[in-house]
Amino acid sequence: ETGVTQTPRHLVMGMTNKKSLKCEQHLGHNAMYWYKQSAKKPLELMFVYNFKEQTENNSVPSRFSPECPNSSHLFLHLHTLQPEDSALYLCASSQDWGGGGRDSQETQYFGPGTRLLVL
Amino acid sequence: GQNIDQPTEMTATEGAIVQINCTYQTSGFNGLFWYQQHAGEAPTFLSYNVLDGLEEKGRFSSFLSRSKGYSYLLLKELQMKDSASYLCAVVDSNYQLIWGAGTKLIIKP
Repeated sequence: ETGVTQTPRHLVMGMTNKKSLKCEQHLGHNAMYWYKQSAKKPLELMFVYNFKEQTENNSVPSRFSPECPNSSHLFLHLHTLQPEDSALYLCASSQDWGGGGRDSQETQYFGPGTRLLVL
Repeated sequence: GQNIDQPTEMTATEGAIVQINCTYQTSGFNGLFWYQQHAGEAPTFLSYNVLDGLEEKGRFSSFLSRSKGYSYLLLKELQMKDSASYLCAVVDSNYQLIWGAGTKLIIKP
Protein backbone atom coordinates (compact mmCIF):
# COMPACT_ATOMS: atom_id res chain seq x y z
CA GLU A 1 0.00 0.00 0.00
CA THR A 2 1.51 3.28 -1.11
CA GLY A 3 -1.30 5.55 0.11
CA VAL A 4 -2.55 6.12 -3.43
CA THR A 5 -5.68 4.31 -4.59
CA GLN A 6 -7.19 4.04 -8.03
CA THR A 7 -10.56 2.83 -9.27
CA PRO A 8 -11.51 0.92 -11.24
CA ARG A 9 -8.60 -1.49 -11.46
CA HIS A 10 -9.80 -2.80 -14.82
CA LEU A 11 -11.98 -1.17 -17.46
CA VAL A 12 -13.24 -2.30 -20.84
CA MET A 13 -14.97 0.30 -22.97
CA GLY A 14 -16.15 0.85 -26.49
CA MET A 15 -14.98 3.75 -28.59
CA THR A 16 -18.24 5.63 -28.09
CA ASN A 17 -18.38 5.24 -24.31
CA LYS A 18 -17.66 7.83 -21.66
CA LYS A 19 -15.95 6.70 -18.47
CA SER A 20 -13.89 8.21 -15.66
CA LEU A 21 -10.86 7.02 -13.76
CA LYS A 22 -10.50 8.05 -10.15
CA CYS A 23 -7.39 8.52 -8.03
CA GLU A 24 -7.20 9.38 -4.35
CA GLN A 25 -4.11 9.98 -2.24
CA HIS A 26 -4.02 9.80 1.55
CA LEU A 27 -0.51 11.20 1.97
CA GLY A 28 -1.21 14.92 2.28
CA HIS A 29 0.69 15.60 -0.93
CA ASN A 30 0.29 18.71 -3.04
CA ALA A 31 1.06 17.36 -6.51
CA MET A 32 -0.70 14.64 -8.49
CA TYR A 33 0.10 13.07 -11.84
CA TRP A 34 -1.47 10.96 -14.57
CA TYR A 35 0.79 8.61 -16.52
CA LYS A 36 0.17 6.21 -19.40
CA GLN A 37 2.17 2.97 -19.36
CA SER A 38 2.26 0.85 -22.50
CA ALA A 39 4.11 -2.43 -22.80
CA LYS A 40 7.87 -2.05 -23.20
CA LYS A 41 7.63 1.72 -23.40
CA PRO A 42 8.69 4.41 -20.90
CA LEU A 43 6.10 5.94 -18.67
CA GLU A 44 4.42 8.81 -20.48
CA LEU A 45 3.51 11.80 -18.34
CA MET A 46 0.07 13.07 -19.29
CA PHE A 47 -0.93 15.69 -16.73
CA VAL A 48 0.44 17.30 -13.59
CA TYR A 49 -1.56 19.16 -10.97
CA ASN A 50 0.09 21.18 -8.23
CA PHE A 51 -2.16 22.60 -5.53
CA LYS A 52 -5.16 21.75 -7.76
CA GLU A 53 -3.79 23.80 -10.66
CA GLN A 54 -2.77 22.09 -13.88
CA THR A 55 0.88 22.76 -14.52
CA GLU A 56 1.67 20.31 -17.30
CA ASN A 57 -0.25 18.95 -20.26
CA ASN A 58 2.09 16.97 -22.46
CA SER A 59 0.21 17.28 -25.76
CA VAL A 60 -2.44 14.85 -24.65
CA PRO A 61 -5.43 14.41 -27.01
CA SER A 62 -8.59 16.16 -25.93
CA ARG A 63 -10.39 12.83 -25.57
CA PHE A 64 -8.58 12.69 -22.21
CA SER A 65 -9.85 15.32 -19.80
CA PRO A 66 -8.41 15.66 -16.29
CA GLU A 67 -10.14 17.10 -13.26
CA CYS A 68 -8.65 17.91 -9.87
CA PRO A 69 -11.32 19.11 -7.41
CA ASN A 70 -8.91 19.15 -4.46
CA SER A 71 -5.37 18.11 -3.59
CA SER A 72 -6.45 14.59 -2.65
CA HIS A 73 -8.51 13.63 -5.68
CA LEU A 74 -7.76 13.40 -9.36
CA PHE A 75 -9.98 12.20 -12.18
CA LEU A 76 -9.34 11.32 -15.80
CA HIS A 77 -12.46 11.57 -17.95
CA LEU A 78 -12.41 9.44 -21.08
CA HIS A 79 -14.56 9.82 -24.20
CA THR A 80 -14.40 8.54 -27.76
CA LEU A 81 -11.16 6.69 -27.11
CA GLN A 82 -9.24 4.73 -29.72
CA PRO A 83 -7.94 1.15 -29.45
CA GLU A 84 -4.37 2.51 -29.24
CA ASP A 85 -5.35 4.17 -25.96
CA SER A 86 -5.47 0.74 -24.35
CA ALA A 87 -2.80 0.80 -21.64
CA LEU A 88 -2.19 0.94 -17.90
CA TYR A 89 -3.06 4.37 -16.51
CA LEU A 90 -1.13 5.23 -13.39
CA CYS A 91 -1.77 7.97 -10.90
CA ALA A 92 1.01 9.29 -8.68
CA SER A 93 1.46 11.95 -6.04
CA SER A 94 4.39 13.78 -4.47
CA GLN A 95 4.81 16.24 -1.65
CA ASP A 96 5.74 18.98 -4.07
CA TRP A 97 5.84 19.29 -7.84
CA GLY A 98 9.07 19.35 -9.75
CA GLY A 99 9.91 15.74 -10.46
CA GLY A 100 12.71 15.58 -7.97
CA GLY A 101 16.26 16.75 -7.74
CA ARG A 102 16.09 19.16 -4.89
CA ASP A 103 15.24 16.72 -2.19
CA SER A 104 13.22 13.62 -1.60
CA GLN A 105 9.98 15.59 -1.31
CA GLU A 106 9.48 15.14 -5.01
CA THR A 107 9.62 11.36 -4.80
CA GLN A 108 6.50 10.11 -6.50
CA TYR A 109 4.22 7.49 -4.99
CA PHE A 110 2.12 5.51 -7.42
CA GLY A 111 -1.28 3.94 -7.32
CA PRO A 112 -1.85 0.39 -8.63
CA GLY A 113 -3.18 1.65 -11.94
CA THR A 114 -6.25 1.09 -14.10
CA ARG A 115 -5.83 -1.46 -16.88
CA LEU A 116 -7.86 0.00 -19.77
CA LEU A 117 -8.94 -1.90 -22.86
CA VAL A 118 -10.65 0.01 -25.66
CA LEU A 119 -12.57 -2.14 -28.12
CA GLY B 1 16.45 14.56 -27.60
CA GLN B 2 16.41 13.04 -24.16
CA ASN B 3 17.08 9.35 -23.78
CA ILE B 4 17.29 6.76 -21.03
CA ASP B 5 18.71 3.34 -21.94
CA GLN B 6 18.40 0.19 -19.89
CA PRO B 7 18.36 -3.48 -20.92
CA THR B 8 14.94 -4.84 -21.76
CA GLU B 9 15.28 -8.07 -19.84
CA MET B 10 17.77 -9.84 -17.57
CA THR B 11 17.85 -13.28 -15.97
CA ALA B 12 19.61 -14.21 -12.73
CA THR B 13 19.71 -17.04 -10.23
CA GLU B 14 18.28 -17.02 -6.72
CA GLY B 15 20.97 -16.11 -4.19
CA ALA B 16 23.20 -14.47 -6.79
CA ILE B 17 24.02 -10.81 -7.52
CA VAL B 18 22.74 -8.83 -10.50
CA GLN B 19 23.58 -5.36 -11.79
CA ILE B 20 21.07 -3.41 -13.87
CA ASN B 21 22.61 -0.57 -15.83
CA CYS B 22 21.07 2.72 -16.91
CA THR B 23 22.68 5.28 -19.19
CA TYR B 24 21.16 8.65 -19.90
CA GLN B 25 21.44 11.64 -22.19
CA THR B 26 19.31 14.45 -20.87
CA SER B 27 19.17 18.23 -20.91
CA GLY B 28 20.70 18.75 -17.52
CA PHE B 29 20.71 16.49 -14.51
CA ASN B 30 19.09 16.93 -11.13
CA GLY B 31 18.97 13.42 -9.78
CA LEU B 32 18.18 9.83 -10.70
CA PHE B 33 15.52 7.51 -9.32
CA TRP B 34 15.15 3.74 -9.36
CA TYR B 35 11.70 2.22 -8.98
CA GLN B 36 10.57 -1.40 -8.72
CA GLN B 37 7.36 -2.54 -10.38
CA HIS B 38 5.90 -6.01 -9.91
CA ALA B 39 3.57 -7.20 -12.64
CA GLY B 40 0.14 -5.64 -12.25
CA GLU B 41 1.24 -3.42 -9.38
CA ALA B 42 2.31 0.16 -8.74
CA PRO B 43 5.92 1.25 -9.20
CA THR B 44 7.51 1.67 -5.77
CA PHE B 45 10.44 3.91 -4.88
CA LEU B 46 13.79 2.20 -4.35
CA SER B 47 16.50 4.85 -4.41
CA TYR B 48 17.49 8.38 -5.31
CA ASN B 49 21.01 9.52 -6.29
CA VAL B 50 22.07 13.07 -6.99
CA LEU B 51 25.78 12.91 -6.09
CA ASP B 52 28.38 10.52 -7.50
CA GLY B 53 28.97 7.34 -5.62
CA LEU B 54 27.26 4.35 -4.13
CA GLU B 55 24.14 4.45 -1.95
CA GLU B 56 23.49 1.23 -0.07
CA LYS B 57 20.11 0.24 1.30
CA GLY B 58 19.99 -3.34 2.55
CA ARG B 59 20.30 -5.81 -0.32
CA PHE B 60 19.92 -3.01 -2.87
CA SER B 61 22.57 -0.46 -3.83
CA SER B 62 22.52 2.28 -6.44
CA PHE B 63 25.54 3.89 -8.06
CA LEU B 64 25.83 7.13 -10.00
CA SER B 65 28.51 8.65 -12.23
CA ARG B 66 27.35 12.00 -13.54
CA SER B 67 30.39 12.49 -15.78
CA LYS B 68 29.60 9.22 -17.57
CA GLY B 69 25.83 9.63 -17.59
CA TYR B 70 25.59 6.23 -15.95
CA SER B 71 23.91 4.53 -13.04
CA TYR B 72 23.41 0.98 -11.90
CA LEU B 73 21.19 -0.82 -9.45
CA LEU B 74 22.88 -3.71 -7.66
CA LEU B 75 20.75 -6.44 -6.11
CA LYS B 76 22.45 -8.92 -3.79
CA GLU B 77 21.28 -12.25 -2.38
CA LEU B 78 18.53 -12.41 -4.94
CA GLN B 79 15.16 -13.72 -3.88
CA MET B 80 12.29 -14.93 -6.04
CA LYS B 81 10.26 -11.90 -4.95
CA ASP B 82 12.83 -9.67 -6.67
CA SER B 83 11.37 -10.75 -10.00
CA ALA B 84 9.98 -7.45 -11.28
CA SER B 85 10.64 -4.59 -13.64
CA TYR B 86 13.15 -1.95 -12.57
CA LEU B 87 12.61 1.56 -13.85
CA CYS B 88 15.31 4.20 -14.12
CA ALA B 89 14.21 7.86 -14.21
CA VAL B 90 16.30 11.03 -14.52
CA VAL B 91 15.35 14.53 -13.41
CA ASP B 92 16.31 17.00 -16.15
CA SER B 93 17.15 20.69 -15.98
CA ASN B 94 13.45 21.60 -15.86
CA TYR B 95 12.96 19.22 -12.93
CA GLN B 96 10.92 16.90 -15.14
CA LEU B 97 11.22 13.13 -14.76
CA ILE B 98 12.44 11.32 -17.87
CA TRP B 99 11.68 7.60 -17.66
CA GLY B 100 13.41 4.57 -19.11
CA ALA B 101 11.36 1.70 -20.50
CA GLY B 102 12.34 -0.53 -17.59
CA THR B 103 14.30 -3.75 -17.20
CA LYS B 104 12.38 -6.94 -16.56
CA LEU B 105 14.34 -9.08 -14.14
CA ILE B 106 13.60 -12.81 -14.07
CA ILE B 107 14.89 -14.80 -11.10
CA LYS B 108 15.32 -18.55 -11.54
CA PRO B 109 15.64 -21.08 -8.71
